Amino acid sequence: DQQVKQNSPSLSVQEGRISILNCDYTNSMFDYFLWYKKYPAEGPTFLISISSIKDKNEDGRFTVFLNKSAKHLSLHIVPSQPGDSAVYFCAASARSEGAQKLVFGQGTRLTINP
Amino acid sequence: NAGVTQTPKFRILKIGQSMTLQCTQDMNHNYMYWYRQDPGMGLKLIYYSVGAGITDKGEVPNGYNVSRSTTEDFPLRLELAAPSQTSVYFCASRPWTGMAVTEAFFGQGTRLTVV
Repeated sequence: DQQVKQNSPSLSVQEGRISILNCDYTNSMFDYFLWYKKYPAEGPTFLISISSIKDKNEDGRFTVFLNKSAKHLSLHIVPSQPGDSAVYFCAASARSEGAQKLVFGQGTRLTINP
Repeated sequence: NAGVTQTPKFRILKIGQSMTLQCTQDMNHNYMYWYRQDPGMGLKLIYYSVGAGITDKGEVPNGYNVSRSTTEDFPLRLELAAPSQTSVYFCASRPWTGMAVTEAFFGQGTRLTVV
């Protein structure tokens, strides 16, 4: 049972345009969400997070939007740069479960074309 | 500050062999995790630990064992390697801050092939 789903395995975007990566979740107890970025042969690195008490969080070129009623979040990258080419993972956690576990989606491979 | 260190980086095992994947962190984090990443399948939680002496199963624990005798170390043991355990393994750690959720820090991974 995939509790966190990233339904797009890959996404290709032109440099300078907006990249939008999507993530859906099924567990209504999830109340904290994180995005990770992963380059080949490296471990995932934290990018940005959002708590369920917010619907938007920004950090420079990265913005995460949360729609609790739809159980959906998205990561916007603008403008997209070649260095953004990586695999992006969405992850979720539930404080009611002691905030102990992070459940990850399958990942979306983002390619930024010059 | 080394962060999360995993050894080895690569390993080839024969079916039925055993090995231990090492993970150590120098950030004094309470929480530690082992994930495996199969192609196109994201990260699946194998085992986790909320502190020394305490471990619990994740989504895919079968075929693995863990121990947590110190805060720093969280080794993952494969007793009888099977081809289905061919994967990339990531160790991660997080600080405990009560009920607040914090980011996890990952090691660089161990690529294991079972033949």
